[in-house]
Amino acid sequence: KQEVTQIPAALSVPEGENLVLNCSFTDSAIYNLQWFRQDPGKGLTSLLLIQSSQREQTSGRLNASLDKSSGRSTLYIAASQPGDSATYLCAVRWSGGGADGLTFGKGTHLIIQP
Amino acid sequence: EAQVTQNPRYLITVTGKKLTVTCSQNMNHEYMSWYRQDPGLGLRQIYYSMNVEVTDKGDVPEGYKVSRKEKRNFPLILESPSPNQTSLYFCASSLSAGVNQPQHFGDGTRLSIL
Repeated sequence: KQEVTQIPAALSVPEGENLVLNCSFTDSAIYNLQWFRQDPGKGLTSLLLIQSSQREQTSGRLNASLDKSSGRSTLYIAASQPGDSATYLCAVRWSGGGADGLTFGKGTHLIIQP
Repeated sequence: EAQVTQNPRYLITVTGKKLTVTCSQNMNHEYMSWYRQDPGLGLRQIYYSMNVEVTDKGDVPEGYKVSRKEKRNFPLILESPSPNQTSLYFCASSLSAGVNQPQHFGDGTRLSIL
């Protein structure tokens, strides 16, 4: 079964720290992997999309890496700020057949302490 | 402003009373989809549409219907809602069915079926 797992489920760190969120997936046949953030009462905001042929993508203080062969992605957040507090979701678009669309992990709930 | 708009944002209703959740996007996107989000289960895809008049089932389509008569709208229909359809629903869209297009999400609709 194609699954996406995120560890840890929750994380609390002091402001200013660099941190890494982890995402693993069970099938290397993917088109891409996308990282989102979800704020309470709001929808999902797309942060980064990494195509299967890419190793990483960067946007500001965010850097996402992809190791397709090992089924892993990481989201690195530099110099964390209280405004980064949110739930971070990774989602995979599989290429191996079946219904189109994204399979999501259950998310990492991140709290940045001021 | 480019956005995906869902209505209503909140709804409490009773078992068996037909309801429709509307979704509209103003970005001329071809691809649209519906997800539901449940505690402990994460986000799961219900239906998707690659273009007008083209719809297909996602992972959890039972109890739902959709239609795509025009590009901008993709309503989700619950013909006979049941309590197990109590959930947070998200509509999403992307420019095309091209596999490396990021998906943009609405703010969600919280449905409670009593």
